[in-house]
Amino acid sequence: QKEVEQNSGPLSVPEGAIASLNCTYSDRGSQSFFWYRQYSGKSPELIMFIYSNGDKEDGRFTAQLNKASQYVSLLIRDSQPSDSATYLCAVNRGGSYIPTFGRGTSLIVHP
Amino acid sequence: SAVISQKPSRDICQRGTSLTIQCQVDSQVTMMFWYRQQPGQSLTLIATANQGSEATYESGFVIDKFPISRPNLTFSTLTVSNMSPEDSSIYLCSVEDPGIGADLDEQFFGPGTRLTVL
Repeated sequence: QKEVEQNSGPLSVPEGAIASLNCTYSDRGSQSFFWYRQYSGKSPELIMFIYSNGDKEDGRFTAQLNKASQYVSLLIRDSQPSDSATYLCAVNRGGSYIPTFGRGTSLIVHP
Repeated sequence: SAVISQKPSRDICQRGTSLTIQCQVDSQVTMMFWYRQQPGQSLTLIATANQGSEATYESGFVIDKFPISRPNLTFSTLTVSNMSPEDSSIYLCSVEDPGIGADLDEQFFGPGTRLTVL
């Protein structure tokens, strides 16, 4: 079992819809969770982080964490074509500063 | 946030040759990281580079193949040695920035070096 798993997609949603991206992790000692966005040909950039169970909202983005079920998700409301990118889930173990990345989910928002 | 530059941005190399990738940061950082991202794959950590000490390599990566230098707190190089087509990938350097919280270290990535080995 891979440490951080994501569906590679592509996930295709219409403009204005909610895009839901999911990530599961295997290490119960994980404490910090990140979502990076990577446009084609560009480097990843951090868009959300979460470390407590529940929801965390930032603008159109909501990160959801459920440590008991070992999953973290990212919701993008009112999706825009500019949101089309690959979204990487990253997980840090407690005491580690080095994240483990999933392979990413490709999101396509079509007009 | 840290600003990171990498050189070269891309290169096409012949099998058996070596390429050195440079990473420059606009501020002093303790830890620098080198990642590889192969097509359709996740970011894979190659090694962690501390200034003044040997780099720490992850499982599957060795110093003879990927020698790393870290001469100061703003600069590092990664060499891909004796290249084969399997080394074709994007190589990214990154640094951590503790600015978003005591226990949450954001990773900032350089623009990457796209390497093609023929």
